[in-house]
Amino acid sequence: AQSVTQLDSHVSVSEGTPVLLRCNYSSSYSPSLFWYVQHPNKGLQLLLKYTSAATLVKGINGFEAEFKKSETSFHLTKPSAHMSDAAEYFCVVTPFSGGYNKLIFGAGTRLAVHP
Amino acid sequence: GAGVSQTPSNKVTEKGKYVELRCDPISGHTALYWYRQSLGQGPEFLIYFQGTGAADDSGLPNDRFFAVRPEGSVSTLKIQRTERGDSAVYLCASSFRTGQEAFFGQGTRLTVV
Repeated sequence: AQSVTQLDSHVSVSEGTPVLLRCNYSSSYSPSLFWYVQHPNKGLQLLLKYTSAATLVKGINGFEAEFKKSETSFHLTKPSAHMSDAAEYFCVVTPFSGGYNKLIFGAGTRLAVHP
Repeated sequence: GAGVSQTPSNKVTEKGKYVELRCDPISGHTALYWYRQSLGQGPEFLIYFQGTGAADDSGLPNDRFFAVRPEGSVSTLKIQRTERGDSAVYLCASSFRTGQEAFFGQGTRLTVV
């Protein structure tokens, strides 16, 4: 069975400092992994995706994530936080490599960015 | 349309009533998904359509929940005999075809009182 665990429910950083949102996954198959962001009163937006190509994945708005099979991790990072990054972030796994069927979401990490 | 549209944006209903939630996917998208997001939780898969047929309905919690997509475009999620535990945000997503990026609507917030 596939699942994801987001290790922090809340993360707070100062503007201009690095962001690290942690995610561990469990998958019986070679997984596809994603990060989605949800701003208040807006729909979920795809930040980036891993589908068995390069292990370091670059996404929108300066975010990136590294797939580490040995650690079953897919942590999201950004070198310098902006106020506009404040949102809820979801790590997602799908059972089908390369596919988007039946996305399985983690519980989410709420990112707060302080001036 | 420009994106996935869900109506209504908010719905308050009394316990025991029947509700319908509508999803208009992006034009031309063949795959459509329904998710439910409870407070403080990540979205939970309900059902997935490829064209008109439900390819995977394993996430529907019980037989009070049903979804249709008769013409392969608009989908309706139907909930009978609503319970307070059904209160959540119901999200719809669509993709051009299976295996491509899914785009989400803003959701319908259902409150059962």
